[in-house]
Amino acid sequence: GAGVSQSPSNKVTEKGKDVELRCDPISGHTALYWYRQSLGQGLEFLIYFQGNSAPDKSGLPSDRFSAERTGGSVSTLTIQRTQQEDSAVYLCASSLAGIAEPTDTQYFGPGTRLTVL
Amino acid sequence: AQSVTQLGSHVSVSEGALVLLRCNYSSSVPPYLFWYVQYPNQGLQLLLKYTSAATLVKGINGFEAEFKKSETSFHLTKPSAHMSDAAEYFCAVSDAAGNKLTFGGGTRVLVKP
Repeated sequence: GAGVSQSPSNKVTEKGKDVELRCDPISGHTALYWYRQSLGQGLEFLIYFQGNSAPDKSGLPSDRFSAERTGGSVSTLTIQRTQQEDSAVYLCASSLAGIAEPTDTQYFGPGTRLTVL
Repeated sequence: AQSVTQLGSHVSVSEGALVLLRCNYSSSVPPYLFWYVQYPNQGLQLLLKYTSAATLVKGINGFEAEFKKSETSFHLTKPSAHMSDAAEYFCAVSDAAGNKLTFGGGTRVLVKP
């Protein structure tokens, strides 16, 4: 049973470039979450996917951020025109049905460390 | 909006001593509360989850937390610290729908031999 995997583990980019971060959730998990961990802001929720429902994008900090989930499995977080303040660790998590279920749990990936120069 | 406050960004304990990490939440009715641990260069690992089934929640690695509604607290404890407990610990609450987590600022634990 593989856990949540994320790629790349580290990404260094130049200001203004676009980046794509990938998340492979645990097989069979219908819920997928993206969080950002930065020194200044701590851990912040970004976006949540649940099955075929419209994603909850309420945590995305600007319209430069977008995410998609193809086929209910792999997810890609895209940051356009990166800024230095985007430097952070981006964490992905998945859960079987959603943490609203008392017995359900979010499993986190190791994260992608993004550095914008 | 919900908020979570963890008192003390750094805590130092001696090996074998009690570990106490404090967490207070602002939500009037938190559906779920969590404690996560993060080891260096790793993702978050769930220690325990409060689901209203019991106010005292036992987790992995000997940790437990007690939900106190009157104090809006969910403090994490471990009777005897091990060197392997050195990590950063995060308290979190879910939103009303139980879908999104709001995290506290984290407490980094240092265990002294």
